[in-house]
Amino acid sequence: GAGVSQSPSNKVTEKGKDVELRCDPISGHTALYWYRQRLGQGLEFLIYFQGNSAPDKSGLPSDRFSAERTGESVSTLTIQRTQQEDSAVYLCASSLVAGNRDYTFGSGTRLTVV
Amino acid sequence: RKEVEQDPGPFNVPEGATVAFNCTYSNSASQSFFWYRQDCRKEPKLLMSVYSSGNEDGRFTAQLNRASQYISLLIRDSKLSDSATYLCAVKAGNTGKLIFGQGTTLQVKP
Repeated sequence: GAGVSQSPSNKVTEKGKDVELRCDPISGHTALYWYRQRLGQGLEFLIYFQGNSAPDKSGLPSDRFSAERTGESVSTLTIQRTQQEDSAVYLCASSLVAGNRDYTFGSGTRLTVV
Repeated sequence: RKEVEQDPGPFNVPEGATVAFNCTYSNSASQSFFWYRQDCRKEPKLLMSVYSSGNEDGRFTAQLNRASQYISLLIRDSKLSDSATYLCAVKAGNTGKLIFGQGTTLQVKP
C-alpha cells in the first residue's frame, strides 16, 4: 500500500478484555516496529520484526503483551487482560531493511481501557 | 536515567524568533540521530537526520556533539506552522530500533 496502515484507529475496551491491534506495513518493507506513546510522553519501543522473526522484543512491558507477523506482511499486537495503564497510542512503523533511515509510521491505534 | 532526554518545554516564542532544542543521549555507541516532528494527535514524521558535520535544511539546522553526547535543533525565523512537538531519536546497532526522547513542545505565537 501507499503507507503504513493501522486498524482500528480507535479502540475502547473494558478492563480485563483482550485486544488485537493490526499493522499493515508498506509493501516490500521487511522491518516492522511497534511503539507505545502515552499521553504527553515520547515513544516507547515494544518489539521489532525482521521478516516474521522478532530478534528484539525487549520493550514488551509484560507477558500480557505479544505480537506476531505473517511473513513480511501484516503484524498483530495482542494485549491480554487489558489494564488502565495500557491506555495509549500504539504506533507501528516499517522500513525497507533494518536500520534503514526511511522509517514510516502509521497513524496509530488509540487504545482506551475503561 | 533515561537513554534519551529532552527538555519537554513548552517553548513559547513569537513569530520570527530563533529557537534551539537540545537532546542528550546516554549510549556512547549510538550511531544515528534524527529529529522528528509530531503534530497533535498525529504520527511522528521525520524532520531531518543529524550528521556528524552538522546539516541544514532551510530554516532548520541540526548538530551533533559526540564528545558531550547531545544533538541540537535550531529553528530560525519561526513560523506559526512550526508549532508542534519535536522528538529526538537515537539508533544504536543494526536493528533499526529507535529510542525516542519525550519530545519538546514548541508554540509559535503571532
